[in-house]
Amino acid sequence: QVQLVQSGAEVKKPGASVKVSCKASGYTFTSYGITWVRQAPGQGLEWMGWINAYKGNTNSAQKFQDRVTLTTDTSTNTVYMELRSLRSDDTAVYYCARDMLLGPFDNWGQGTLVTVSS
Amino acid sequence: EIVLTQSPGTLSLSPGERATLSCRASQSVSSSFLAWYQQKPGQAPRLLIFGASSRATGIPDRFSGSGSGTDFTLTISRLEPEDFAVYYCQQYGSSPRTFGGGTKVEIK
Repeated sequence: QVQLVQSGAEVKKPGASVKVSCKASGYTFTSYGITWVRQAPGQGLEWMGWINAYKGNTNSAQKFQDRVTLTTDTSTNTVYMELRSLRSDDTAVYYCARDMLLGPFDNWGQGTLVTVSS
Repeated sequence: EIVLTQSPGTLSLSPGERATLSCRASQSVSSSFLAWYQQKPGQAPRLLIFGASSRATGIPDRFSGSGSGTDFTLTISRLEPEDFAVYYCQQYGSSPRTFGGGTKVEIK
């Protein structure tokens, strides 16, 4: 079955960077993309960006374009999301999800809590 | 950017009742690229409906979606105890992909 397994919780100081991984299994990794969505405590869902798992081309929300880098490693079926210059309002659960572009997010990772605090 | 507005913010209903959730878009959603997700506390969202009206794999037929253009609806025909959750609509036809603010369905 399709599984997306994310890396564990992180605590970072303001100004630092965080890199979250998302390891896929149970499907042909290179046939889909991976999207990243975050959810601040008690808030709704916010789409951050998408990466083609095979080619590595990306599309990010304008809000994050200067601070986020999405990368893919086809040798390990893993996608990475790096967010730089962290602020307290980046504290959130970060989810990866399988995304075919022009398709819904049909399978989700378990989420990774990133806490930004001095 | 397409803004999605969900209403009501909270729906208080009893098990067995019918739930009707609304999602209105600020501009037409391409080819009905509209999805609905369910999220329970501490869990990742789960895809319920895609293409405005197609149920995802394993989703019970008490969940149905309808609508086109700018107005979409998620209907739960008879609420089961496990259906009390937050529901989000999302459009995936244009970038940035956007979500509505959510509707919480709570037990009355």
